[in-house]
This record gives sequence, C-alpha cells and structure tokens, in this order.
Amino acid sequence: KAGVTQTPRYLIKTRGQQVTLSCSPISGHRSVSWYQQTPGQGLQFLFEYFSETQRNKGNFPGRFSGRQFSNSRSEMNVSTLELGDSALYLCASSPAASGGAGETQYFGPGTRLLVL
Amino acid sequence: AQSVTQPDIHITVSEGASLELRCNYSYGATPYLFWYVQSPGQGLQLLLKYFSGDTLVQGIKGFEAEFKRSQSSFNLRKPSVHWSDAAEYFCAVGAHTGTASKLTFGTGTRLQVTL
Repeated sequence: KAGVTQTPRYLIKTRGQQVTLSCSPISGHRSVSWYQQTPGQGLQFLFEYFSETQRNKGNFPGRFSGRQFSNSRSEMNVSTLELGDSALYLCASSPAASGGAGETQYFGPGTRLLVL
Repeated sequence: AQSVTQPDIHITVSEGASLELRCNYSYGATPYLFWYVQSPGQGLQLLLKYFSGDTLVQGIKGFEAEFKRSQSSFNLRKPSVHWSDAAEYFCAVGAHTGTASKLTFGTGTRLQVTL
C-alpha cells in the first residue's frame, strides 16, 4: 500500500497570505489528523477529520481550518499567515476501524511552510 | 489532560553501545503509548506501540520498550546501536476522547551516534 502523501512538500509564503495543504491518506483509512511541528513548540495536534467531519480539535486559532472529502483526502488551510506559522505540517491517517481510540497513526513526510 | 515528558533532549552513544531513551507520561486512564522516530527532513515512523497485555513490546529495527505503570514510564531500549539510528525519537500518548483519538507528543530526544 502506498503511504500517506502530502503536497506540496515545500512552500514559501509571505505574511498575510493564505495557504492550502493537501493530504492523501493510506487507502482504506478514514481518519486524518494534522499536526504542526516547530522547534519551539514541538509537535502539536491541530485537528482530526473522520467521515468529512471534524471530531477533535487542538488549541489553535480559527485561522487554521481543514476539511475532508468523501474519498478521505484532507486539506488544511491557514489564512492570514504569520511568521510564527512557519513549521512542518504533518498529516497522519488511521483506519478508524474501532472508532479511533488508540489506533496507530501513520504519518506522511510533511509540508514545510516558510512564512516571510 | 495527558502529557509526555522526555527528560533527555540530546543523547550521544557510541556505535555498538546500548541505548535507553526515557519517557514518562501522565494520563488518567490506561494509556496507549507509542514511540516514533524522525530522520532529518522526514515524517514520523512508528517504532512500536503499547495498547495492553505484555508490558515488554518489540518493535522494528531491534527496538523494544517496557511499560511500567507504577513509574508511569515507557522507556525505549536497544541493545546495540547502529550509526543509522541517529535521529530524533518521540514518545507519544494516545488519548481516547469519545470516538476520536489524538496523540500528545513529548519534546523529543535527539540521538547522536559516534563511530
């Protein structure tokens, strides 16, 4: 099976712009989670989507949003970019066969976003 | 709320030496515990996981970890380190919130291997 894929891999934006990142989960996986990784804050949970619905959300401002499509592919959007949004954004998928509790999450390679 | 502590930010070991990376967690119920490894510029790769049962779990690449409930620990071990093990290692606890799950990560331990 192909792993989790994320596009683009690298992105440079300027402050105030918005950005959309894409994630394709492992075939058959229904849950997609997003994480932000920065040197200062480490790995932080953004949100999780299952069956096109957000069912868990981390402590991020409303500028961070996401969605999931019927084929389980997911996108996250960051509006009005700030310098502090520079990070590696990781997507993870899991089968969600048992509802999600404790399931292994499989990570993609990430999208590295640089905000100038 | 759950939390994970990895007390060692950076560890250096010689190739062939044994390795132990420490992880302590805080969680109100039975935790789901994971160790992931991240090579530079890459995503996270699962090394092993603990859900229940045998407290000593075996993973890939010769790694193992032991769950000790009394110490709230889940330390990662490898008897003989290879130069290719140099990477950053993350311990995580999986929380069950309703039907959703999310991972809370520690701050990571960067492993350097000297030849």
